[in-house]
Amino acid sequence: QQPVQSPQAVILREGEDAVINCSSSKALYSVHWYRQKHGEAPVFLMILLKGGEQKGHEKISASFNEKKQQSSLYLTASQLSYSGTYFCGTEIKAGSQGNLIFGKGTKLSVKP
Amino acid sequence: KAGVTQTPRYLIKTRGQQVTLSCSPISGHRSVSWYQQTPGQGLQFLFEYFSETQRNKGNFPGRFSGRQFSNSRSEMNVSTLELGDSALYLCASNNLGGSGRNNEQFFGPGTRLTVL
Repeated sequence: QQPVQSPQAVILREGEDAVINCSSSKALYSVHWYRQKHGEAPVFLMILLKGGEQKGHEKISASFNEKKQQSSLYLTASQLSYSGTYFCGTEIKAGSQGNLIFGKGTKLSVKP
Repeated sequence: KAGVTQTPRYLIKTRGQQVTLSCSPISGHRSVSWYQQTPGQGLQFLFEYFSETQRNKGNFPGRFSGRQFSNSRSEMNVSTLELGDSALYLCASNNLGGSGRNNEQFFGPGTRLTVL
């Protein structure tokens, strides 16, 4: 039931793009994305609800394909500040309000 | 506006003891979620409270409990501590569920619990 994130780790140079995927074996109601830096709490990036919408947050955007039960996070023109571990959290039903099942995370390192 | 506060930030306990952690959400947020984070299991949902009622519960034993007060502050309690309860306990202040753009969730800094 835990969503699978890929890749597990990625190293980028500043300015490069990356895509992080989150796939579930269950039908999803929503997908949440977070970034966590070492020693800090997770930071909520965005939520995507059933409906296939794409949302954006600075140069970070995401899509949600409910038919494929997967979401992708797009980081464009990466900056050093984007380094961290990215988690997706999935909700399988409406009203579960934060009852998320998290992926194991994707470690992103952005080098100068 | 003030962020999510959690107290204490660090705690050391011994096996068999109990512990109470506190979380004050962002003003206006009525929903609070609790999560456990460990290197081995990652992030796991504990429970969620809304207006003093537990709405959702994760797959944790009954030793883990919580409550929410009328001012939305929340506490979680772990009784009969085990070594495996050592973890970072995160509280999140939620404004989720709508289809609009105002969905938001803010995490507190966490309480690092070490069980010896």
